[in-house]
Amino acid sequence: EVHLVESGGGLVKPGGSLRLSCAASGFSFSHAWMIWVRQAPGKGLQWVGRIKSKTDGGTADYAAPVKGRFTISRDDSEDTVYLQMNSLESDDTAVYYCQSSIHEPLFVDYWGQGTLVTVSS
Amino acid sequence: DIVMTQSPDSLAVSLGERATINCKSSQSVLYSSNNKNYLAWYQQKPRQPPKLLIYWASARESGVPDRFSGSGSGTDFTLTISSLQAEDVAVYYCHQYYTTQWTFGQGTRLEIK
Repeated sequence: EVHLVESGGGLVKPGGSLRLSCAASGFSFSHAWMIWVRQAPGKGLQWVGRIKSKTDGGTADYAAPVKGRFTISRDDSEDTVYLQMNSLESDDTAVYYCQSSIHEPLFVDYWGQGTLVTVSS
Repeated sequence: DIVMTQSPDSLAVSLGERATINCKSSQSVLYSSNNKNYLAWYQQKPRQPPKLLIYWASARESGVPDRFSGSGSGTDFTLTISSLQAEDVAVYYCHQYYTTQWTFGQGTRLEIK
């Protein structure tokens, strides 16, 4: 059975930092592109960023609002992906979801239950 | 970034009737080398993560009822629910995974009339 379990959310002051983790199991983590998606309270889904599999280069890309402040990394030995969030702003308040995605040869798409990050003084 | 625009923002349909949600991308998401549209549809119910319904614009995810179908190509796409059931009440999102920065539509809230 597939599991994606996010952790590390919580309350942080503006300007602060937080690191989210997403522990995966039940699928071939090393082959998956790992994605972070967030959802502000009462709002829609916003793509945050993605890290490719090592075989596809292992590079990360980010949405414009978080570029330069957020960093995605992965540890394939631990089947875990991380989201390091720095210089947090109130607009970063959201539920952060971890998603795994494989497009070829079969389309695979799994999501975690999310972790809430609240940026407030 | 590709901007995904869904219409309508909200929709009320009677049980058993057809529901249609549209999605327009600001540029084509059709990859000519493999003739695939990099477009997915998700369903999200309250307090749950999104659930994949459709990928490659028209391929139904395993386990998704066949009343859900996706169509379109290039920049214009449609999600159709052929006969609305009570459990289909949710917010639906289109999503492009064509460019470096993936994006979602703003969502369409589907309710029972």
